[in-house]
Amino acid sequence: QQQVKQSPQSLIVQKGGISIINCAYENTAFDYFPWYQQFPGKGPALLIAIRPDVSEKKEGRFTISFNKSAKQFSLHIMDSQPGDSATYFCAASKETSGSRLTFGEGTQLTVNP
Amino acid sequence: DGGITQSPKYLFRKEGQNVTLSCEQNLNHDAMYWYRQDPGQGLRLIYYSQIVNDFQKGDIAEGYSVSREKKESFPLTVTSAQKNPTAFYLCASKILAGAGAQYFGPGTRLLVL
Repeated sequence: QQQVKQSPQSLIVQKGGISIINCAYENTAFDYFPWYQQFPGKGPALLIAIRPDVSEKKEGRFTISFNKSAKQFSLHIMDSQPGDSATYFCAASKETSGSRLTFGEGTQLTVNP
Repeated sequence: DGGITQSPKYLFRKEGQNVTLSCEQNLNHDAMYWYRQDPGQGLRLIYYSQIVNDFQKGDIAEGYSVSREKKESFPLTVTSAQKNPTAFYLCASKILAGAGAQYFGPGTRLLVL
């Protein structure tokens, strides 16, 4: 079963704090791990992605940490802002399988001002 | 202005009626995907296509049909066999060769009258 488990389901953080969302996967053949941000009524937008040959990737306030041995990866949002309030999805795919993405169930992030 | 367009934004279906959701992309992407999103849930793959005139079933294909006559277009038909069609439908596309993310359209919300 190619599942991706995401936690927590919801997260409330104060402005300026760090938001952390975790994902775990089962299929060791997965080799591409993107994170998407979705605002209500909109399509998901690619936020940041990582491949298993690196343990961390940072883009601005967003960082992915990847632990290949534990089959886990996480999204860290530094200096969280109210504008970051959205639903975040992790996903995983095996590039040679038609690039089918398997999504986590999503985390609803609320950043209080 | 490049991107993925979906129409209509809202669609109403009567009992026993087939409806077709449009998805067009001008990104010259090879692969296209249809996902269904239910409230508070992740994205589930309905169908995907890697090349023109070829497509594969995803995880929840029953009650849906697709066609891929042109590289730019991947319409989804929700048939009367789909008994619970109310959902947010998302189209995505991707360059097939090598690594890369899927990019999503703005979505179509389907409601049953």
